[in-house]
Amino acid sequence: EDKVVQSPLSLVVHEGDTVTLNCSYEVTNFRSLLWYKQEKKAPTFLFMLTSSGIEKKSGRLSSILDKKELFSILNITATQTGDSAVYLCAAPRGQGGKLIFGQGTELSVKP
Amino acid sequence: DTEVTQTPKHLVMGMTNKKSLKCEQHMGHRAMYWYKQKAKKPPELMFVYSYEKLSINESVPSRFSPECPNSSLLNLHLHALQPEDSALYLCASSLRGPGEAFFGQGTRLTVV
Repeated sequence: EDKVVQSPLSLVVHEGDTVTLNCSYEVTNFRSLLWYKQEKKAPTFLFMLTSSGIEKKSGRLSSILDKKELFSILNITATQTGDSAVYLCAAPRGQGGKLIFGQGTELSVKP
Repeated sequence: DTEVTQTPKHLVMGMTNKKSLKCEQHMGHRAMYWYKQKAKKPPELMFVYSYEKLSINESVPSRFSPECPNSSLLNLHLHALQPEDSALYLCASSLRGPGEAFFGQGTRLTVV
């Protein structure tokens, strides 16, 4: 059965810390892995990763995919309270567009 | 315009009511989705429309009825819902199929 597993499920850090969020996957005919940030409502798209070993970067956030070991990490450096959110990792399954989500990592950044 | 717009933002309905959720995007995306999200859980797929045709129905009860009037609009018609259907309903769209999906802000539905 296809699945996406995230760890840790929750994390509390202080402003300025660096965090690493993990996502492992088992998806038939894997094509891509997506990271989203969800605050109060809509998940906001962060990254789509398709190639192994190529880091994607946006400001203090970066992510990389390892297709051999079937995992991805999301790094956030110099965390700020505004980074507090649930971070979701997902992978599309099949041709129809269904996203399989991990359970999410709830990140709380304390001042 | 990179937005997916959902209305209403909040909805309270009785178990005998009929209501509709609406979703609109003008990004030229040809795949649109309804997800249901309960508190502290990831979104769960309900329906996928691809090129205005229903391509996936994840065994959703018939009290939820999707409709795609055109490539920019997606509706979810609700009838005779149960209190356990209370959740955040998210609409999303993507260019064609699997991949980068943009989500709307969601409708917070409460069934009383």
